[in-house]
Amino acid sequence: EAQVTQNPRYLITVTGKKLTVTCSQNMNHEYMSWYRQDPGLGLRQIYYSMNVEVTDKGDVPEGYKVSRKEKRNFPLILESPSPNQTSLYFCASSLIAGAGNEQFFGPGTRLTVL
Amino acid sequence: AQKVTQAQTEISVVEKEDVTLDCVYETRDTTYYLFWYKQPPSGELVFLIRRNSFDEQNEISGRYSWNFQKSTSSFNFTITASQVVDSAVYFCALSRLIIQGAQKLVFGQGTRLTINP
Repeated sequence: EAQVTQNPRYLITVTGKKLTVTCSQNMNHEYMSWYRQDPGLGLRQIYYSMNVEVTDKGDVPEGYKVSRKEKRNFPLILESPSPNQTSLYFCASSLIAGAGNEQFFGPGTRLTVL
Repeated sequence: AQKVTQAQTEISVVEKEDVTLDCVYETRDTTYYLFWYKQPPSGELVFLIRRNSFDEQNEISGRYSWNFQKSTSSFNFTITASQVVDSAVYFCALSRLIIQGAQKLVFGQGTRLTINP
């Protein structure tokens, strides 16, 4: 089954404790991105990657890092999480980076930082 | 700047009523794409429709229909004969190319639709 998976689905952590949210897709998609969803703000892009070893900042990159060492994986790293990073996070992928290409979303990761 | 506005934060209707969700966008691009996504209570994002800026034809898919009007920069979504299963948060989004060919989805704030039995 073609899908985007994220792990963990739920995470409660404390301020300053490094964490990684994994994202993997099995569709051989080149383009992947991370979004965060906050009430009243919709989804905002954090980082995106056009292909292996090619990443760039989205609208809200502060406090996050990403890497793209393999085509299928695009982990989101919070080196020192803070309470304002409490949010619902979505990973997405699409075949190529064209504006009209449908992005397939993962199931979401709900993160709480205490 | 690119922006998507969904002015209706919450809508509540009784089952079988028709309901329209509004979406207004701002962009200077001549080529862009508009999307609607559904987020049911389970939390995942479900793709509903994609429309490019050169195609203003309305689209109907079962009980769902979309009205795209470039003159008013709107892409409204109507559910006919609503059902309880339509209860969800609905997002309108604008996709544009940014530098180096990367795309970005700009989302509206979302409209929470509740269909009461």
